[in-house]
Parts: sequence; C-alpha cells; structure tokens
Amino acid sequence: DAGVIQSPRHEVTEMGQEVTLRCKPISGHDYLFWYRQTMMRGLELLIYFNNNVPIDDSGMPEDRFSAKMPNASFSTLKIQPSEPRDSAVYFCASSSGTGGVTNEKLFFGSGTQLSVL
Amino acid sequence: GQQLNQSPQSMFIQEGEDVSMNCTSSSIFNTWLWYKQEPGEGPVLLIALYKAGELTSNGRLTAQFGITRKDSFLNISASIPSDVGIYFCAGRRGDKLIFGTGTRLQVFP
Repeated sequence: DAGVIQSPRHEVTEMGQEVTLRCKPISGHDYLFWYRQTMMRGLELLIYFNNNVPIDDSGMPEDRFSAKMPNASFSTLKIQPSEPRDSAVYFCASSSGTGGVTNEKLFFGSGTQLSVL
Repeated sequence: GQQLNQSPQSMFIQEGEDVSMNCTSSSIFNTWLWYKQEPGEGPVLLIALYKAGELTSNGRLTAQFGITRKDSFLNISASIPSDVGIYFCAGRRGDKLIFGTGTRLQVFP
C-alpha cells in the first residue's frame, strides 16, 4: 500500500498567488481530513470529508481557503489569494469508517511545506 | 480551536532513560490516542485508549487513560535514539481528533 500521497512536498510562492495542494488517500478509505500544522497553533483540523462529501469545514480559516473531493481518490486544498500567514505544513490524512463513524486510526501523508513570501 | 495541553514541551534525555509525558484537557474525551511525528513526516498512531483507567502497552511504550477522562499519560522505557520525534496526544470527539500541543523528545547517545 502506497499510503496517503501528497503533492507537492514543498511549495514556495509569493503573496497573492493561488496555491493548490493535492492529496490521494489510501484506497478504500472513506474519510479524508485536511490538517494544518504551525509552531504557534499545533495541528488544526481544517475540513474533513466522508464519502467525498464535506462534513465539517468549521476549521477553514477564511473564504480564501477551499477544499474539494471530486472522487474517492483525490482531494485538493486551495488558497486564493495566499498570504504570508498561511505558511505552514499542510497534512492530508485518511481513515476507514464503520457504521458511519470514522476509525480513529488516521493515516497521514508526508505533508506539504508551504512558504508564502 | 480547542487544544489539549501537553507537558513537558520538550525533553532532552540520555539513551537508556525512561520518559514520562502527559496530556490534559478541560473537557472529557471517550477515546485518547498517542501519535508520534518524525521529522519531515506525518504523525503515526502509537496507542489508542478507550476506557477510563485503561493501561495499554506497545513494546516499550505504555499509555494510560486518566480516571477523570480529562487526561492521559505516555511512558517510554529505556529510550533509544530512534525515539526522537514529537509525541502528540489526541482526543476523539465524534469524527474529529483534537490534537495536543506536542512534546518534543531528543535522545542523546
């Protein structure tokens, strides 16, 4: 199993540019989570999907952030326009659910290190 | 958002020493988890706890679910250099995991 695959590993962009982060969850997993990690705030849940449907996006910081999951094997997190304070490591994680509830064993990708200059 | 408080924030220990760290919350959780994050990687699940008072081991790691359900503890015995990383506790609330602030562990040979 290839695990959760994220791309790119590193992204450096200028303020105001659009940034798109990509995630391929583990095949068969029906839950997908996007987390952001910073020194100041730790690991924060931004949004999660169940069966490709967004369930809770209350952690998305602003309208500049959007996430989609067009199919079971692909999700994107987009920031438009990006700002320096968006600099962080963004993780995607997936898990399988039973009876409509997620298994707490989340499998994380290696993350995307985003730097907005 | 809500965070769980972990202590200590960081630890610098000698190989072979035992390690203890804890995690506290102002609210109750019914499931406690401990994850480890190595440099450049995402967190990996180490131990899951489901009942108040439960004590669970995974090799040299032992974790306990606090009786009040507002805290959890992780012990590592006879530390080795590959134990280096950040250890996160997490409490489960529905489908969400709320992560702690992390304890950074450094092990010197």
